[in-house]
Amino acid sequence: DSGVTQTPKHLITATGQRVTLRCSPRSGDLSVYWYQQSLDQGLQFLIQYYNGEERAKGNILERFSAQQFPDLHSELNLSSLELGDSALYFCASSVWGTGGTGELFFGEGSRLTVL
Amino acid sequence: SQKIEQNSEALNIQEGKTATLTCNYTNYSPAYLQWYRQDPGRGPVFLLLIRENEKEKRKERLKVTFDTTLKQSLFHITASQPADSATYLCALLGTDKLIFGTGTRLQVFP
Repeated sequence: DSGVTQTPKHLITATGQRVTLRCSPRSGDLSVYWYQQSLDQGLQFLIQYYNGEERAKGNILERFSAQQFPDLHSELNLSSLELGDSALYFCASSVWGTGGTGELFFGEGSRLTVL
Repeated sequence: SQKIEQNSEALNIQEGKTATLTCNYTNYSPAYLQWYRQDPGRGPVFLLLIRENEKEKRKERLKVTFDTTLKQSLFHITASQPADSATYLCALLGTDKLIFGTGTRLQVFP
């Protein structure tokens, strides 16, 4: 158990819909990262927050947004969903911000299926 | 362009042998490189970190080397066991984010 909690574990929805994925980091970790993993793409970095502020951004679509709340949990919002958004979405946390050498602790992921 | 390349073909080895996985990168100058293990449908789990000034790092049956001249890291599992079967990911720090390779699937058969 990494200590990172993600909900929901599975989600099935239709194209055009909007979903919210939730992540609670390990106790004491200030950084939260979101990654997308699909079969043909590997782990793709989406976005990082550190202590409530956006710290780094990857190839995150404009239809996607995220935030980190004062209690350090984070939410990833995916809107106007398309079939290609079907993937595993992982949240990870670490003690350090960008540039730190700490390992990332990953949650078990949220599997999104868009029909 | 920046790339991290791991052998996309699965590596099949017999129990007891040493598995060697490769991670090559281009157009990065990472201060460190990490290796993770990922089981199907699960989140990656951190295994080892090696810094740019370290040639080699060991942890139990695991060994990682880092050659910044060749821009390559090798990940070794000695005395491999069927329980070592998984996908292994290398990751390095890009400009401002940790970038992962696509991983190599290792299958250890009895």
